[in-house]
Amino acid sequence: DTEVTQTPKHLVMGMTNKKSLKCEQHMGHRAMYWYKQKAKKPPELMFVYSYEKLSINESVPSRFSPECPNSSLLNLHLHALQPEDSALYLCASSALTSGGGETQYFGPGTRLLVL
Amino acid sequence: DAKTTQPNSMESNEEEPVHLPCNHSTISGTDYIHWYRQLPSQGPEYVIHGLTSNVNNRMASLAIAEDRKSSTLILHRATLRDAAVYYCILRRPGSARQLTFGSGTQLTVLP
Repeated sequence: DTEVTQTPKHLVMGMTNKKSLKCEQHMGHRAMYWYKQKAKKPPELMFVYSYEKLSINESVPSRFSPECPNSSLLNLHLHALQPEDSALYLCASSALTSGGGETQYFGPGTRLLVL
Repeated sequence: DAKTTQPNSMESNEEEPVHLPCNHSTISGTDYIHWYRQLPSQGPEYVIHGLTSNVNNRMASLAIAEDRKSSTLILHRATLRDAAVYYCILRRPGSARQLTFGSGTQLTVLP
């Protein structure tokens, strides 16, 4: 099974709401990622988790709060978002290898609209 | 990771081969060349990767120039389902794990 699942597929939220995005993989991968993709732009990294620990935070505002409760799950908690945060949020996972051939598996994304 | 340069867009006719170029003149000796593609309304998916030698898999072929300063992704018979944005990305062993996407090439396949 090489699938990364993300829920929900679509999310509409107001600026005062709190919501969470969920990502799950069962490939035994120990690295998981959140990317953000605005329309017509390439994905941009937000966070990297290695062995369930946050290893990279690309200066993301604190209204985005990641969480990795176990090796298969990755959450992104959202609070007090702004309309400019509307985007496609992509989760990915990869096996932790030392070589440059490591590949990432992406989920279908959650399309978020902030009103 | 070193920078890559790709054409913004390309067109191909259905059932014809497609050659998608990528320039990476500052590639280092240990950088791997990866290709991902993103179909409409989907997340990116891995296509192929290589280091020095040409590579084939069920999706595509990767031709790497002898000096490694450029590479070409080859789709042998384009179908309408191959219409996507194709990203060429360099990965260095031991470097940060994230993928750094460039602007990619939007491939349009004409029926």
